[in-house]
Amino acid sequence: GEDVEQSLFLSVREGDSSVINCTYTDSSSTYLYWYKQEPGAGLQLLTYIFSNMDMKQDQRLTVLLNKKDKHLSLRIADTQTGDSAIYFCAESHMDSNYQLIWGAGTKLIIKP
Amino acid sequence: DTGVSQDPRHKITKRGQNVTFRCDPISEHNRLYWYRQTLGQGPEFLTYFQNEAQLEKSRLLSDRFSAERPKGSFSTLEIQRTEQGDSAMYLCASSLVQGETGNTIYFGEGSWLTVV
Repeated sequence: GEDVEQSLFLSVREGDSSVINCTYTDSSSTYLYWYKQEPGAGLQLLTYIFSNMDMKQDQRLTVLLNKKDKHLSLRIADTQTGDSAIYFCAESHMDSNYQLIWGAGTKLIIKP
Repeated sequence: DTGVSQDPRHKITKRGQNVTFRCDPISEHNRLYWYRQTLGQGPEFLTYFQNEAQLEKSRLLSDRFSAERPKGSFSTLEIQRTEQGDSAMYLCASSLVQGETGNTIYFGEGSWLTVV
């Protein structure tokens, strides 16, 4: 079956890079997403990558996709206190009408 | 139009009462989704619409849950005879799907439901 896994917590120092990892099982995934959720708020789409891409960069965010290992990562450069949130990895594919399959979320904790 | 909006943001209701949430999607989006999220969990898919057609509703949690999108624009999610286990955040999302092109899904801020 389909499954998306993430580690539950990541702690980094302010100014360092954060790397949040995600693994998925569905090789037919079409899109892979990263969403950010701050306490009590909805889900903010940070970035997404199409499955035929290896990398996507957007300002401080870099997404890397290793299709062979079914591994997705989100790197946040120069981590700031405002980056403190839960980061969800999600996948979708055309065959399932693009319904999102979610990971449980990684809580990013920033140390001063 | 700046995004998906949901109303109310917070609702406290007594067990057994009915509640209704409204979602206004991004204006040009043809797909609208409802999810539920409980604390410490990822979102759980409930149902979705393509324009006014409800294409998937088997994941609605029980027959107490229903959703409509009568004119293919805004949508409502109704929970009848609420139970304490219905306490959660209800998230609406929308996207534009055209043929085989991509599907970028944008979420609203959610509607918190507390059943007492």
